[in-house]
Amino acid sequence: DAKTTQPNSMESNEEEPVHLPCNHSTISGTDYIHWYRQLPSQGPEYVIHGLTSNVNNRMASLAIAEDRKSSTLILHRATLRDAAVYYCILRDHGANSKLTFGKGITLSVRP
Amino acid sequence: EPEVTQTPSHQVTQMGQEVILRCVPISNHLYFYWYRQILGQKVEFLVSFYNNEISEKSEIFDDQFSVERPDGSNFTLKIRSTKLEDSAMYFCASIGLAKNIQYFGAGTRLSVL
Repeated sequence: DAKTTQPNSMESNEEEPVHLPCNHSTISGTDYIHWYRQLPSQGPEYVIHGLTSNVNNRMASLAIAEDRKSSTLILHRATLRDAAVYYCILRDHGANSKLTFGKGITLSVRP
Repeated sequence: EPEVTQTPSHQVTQMGQEVILRCVPISNHLYFYWYRQILGQKVEFLVSFYNNEISEKSEIFDDQFSVERPDGSNFTLKIRSTKLEDSAMYFCASIGLAKNIQYFGAGTRLSVL
């Protein structure tokens, strides 16, 4: 499985934007970039995914570098509820493709 | 919003006992998964299941583990003879026709004493 690299942790202030980086220099042409998050004592939760173009949804935005070797998850206004571990995962969109989780980045949000 | 339901939320068992962890995936989903997360460690893939058979399994998923979809709604993970190192959170997940998003349950905490 292609590997992703994320910082271990990041801190942000409530109501400010947060940019969570991810490097994936060995990404293949069929890999989609997925982001999941895991709130304390909960199961992983889908956040967003993309292939080449930047993506927006109600939770976040995903900015993908032109060479696809890196991406950034953007939370536009962090809330206390956004404190979680965020995982950047490469996934082939074969029907049965599993998710391979790394350690993720732990986001802390200061009130 | 539809959700994946897992029961029980916490299971305590003695080493060597059999346990069955239960999951009810989202109703029109076709692909099912089990993952586990040992305390303080990464979420690890165990097995994927489609069309009533295992599609892929990890090296963790040895002969002590089995999965079953006994009816149209439940998806179960059985550990035949639990070991201390099986203590972990076990998450069930499912994917629908869009195949893009895995929906996870809240997990079952398994404690093997």
